[in-house]
Amino acid sequence: QKEVEQNSGPLSVPEGAIASLNCTYSDRGSQSFFWYRQYSGKSPELIMSIYSNGDKEDGRFTAQLNKASQYVSLLIRDSQPSDSATYLCAVKVSGNTGKLIFGQGTTLQVKP
Amino acid sequence: GAVVSQHPSRVICKSGTSVKIECRSLDFQATTMFWYRQFPKKSLMLMATSNEGSKATYEQGVEKDKFLINHASLTLSTLTVTSAHPEDSSFYICSARGFGEQFFGPGTRLTVL
Repeated sequence: QKEVEQNSGPLSVPEGAIASLNCTYSDRGSQSFFWYRQYSGKSPELIMSIYSNGDKEDGRFTAQLNKASQYVSLLIRDSQPSDSATYLCAVKVSGNTGKLIFGQGTTLQVKP
Repeated sequence: GAVVSQHPSRVICKSGTSVKIECRSLDFQATTMFWYRQFPKKSLMLMATSNEGSKATYEQGVEKDKFLINHASLTLSTLTVTSAHPEDSSFYICSARGFGEQFFGPGTRLTVL
């Protein structure tokens, strides 16, 4: 059973701080990893994708991947109240199905 | 670009009726679409993979006769919940595969009375 694990939180950080979200996965053959943001009652929105070991930065967001440790993380710098949402880690299943396995999500609360 | 729409956004129906949900990729062609279900405060659970021109592939535990999927064209997949019951009430979300990623529709909130 392929799994993706996240701490459900809530993770509470003050405005302006760095929020760190973590995810581990079980499928060693996975090559593609995604972070989605989901506001309450809305569908997920893709914010980052990462395919290679190391860091990938996009604005205030940095995704980090370590395939040897089967670990992917998302850092949000200068956190804003509008970042308060559930962040879903998703891992593409190895093979060509295109299927994603989602973690249970981490709820982030940014307090003004 | 990469916009996916769903219709309807919200539906309330009586127990025993069937409900059809449409998923469309508006500005790209998607040979593969996915259907998910999400219960409150839970993560997305993949129900089935919809492939244009062939039968859908259902995940373990999902009844194919209850959740009928038709991928009629490269831009349209439909999910029909047959003989809906209150336990089918959920948030149904589709996604379309394109450009190496999945793009999600806005979701359909189904309430079965």
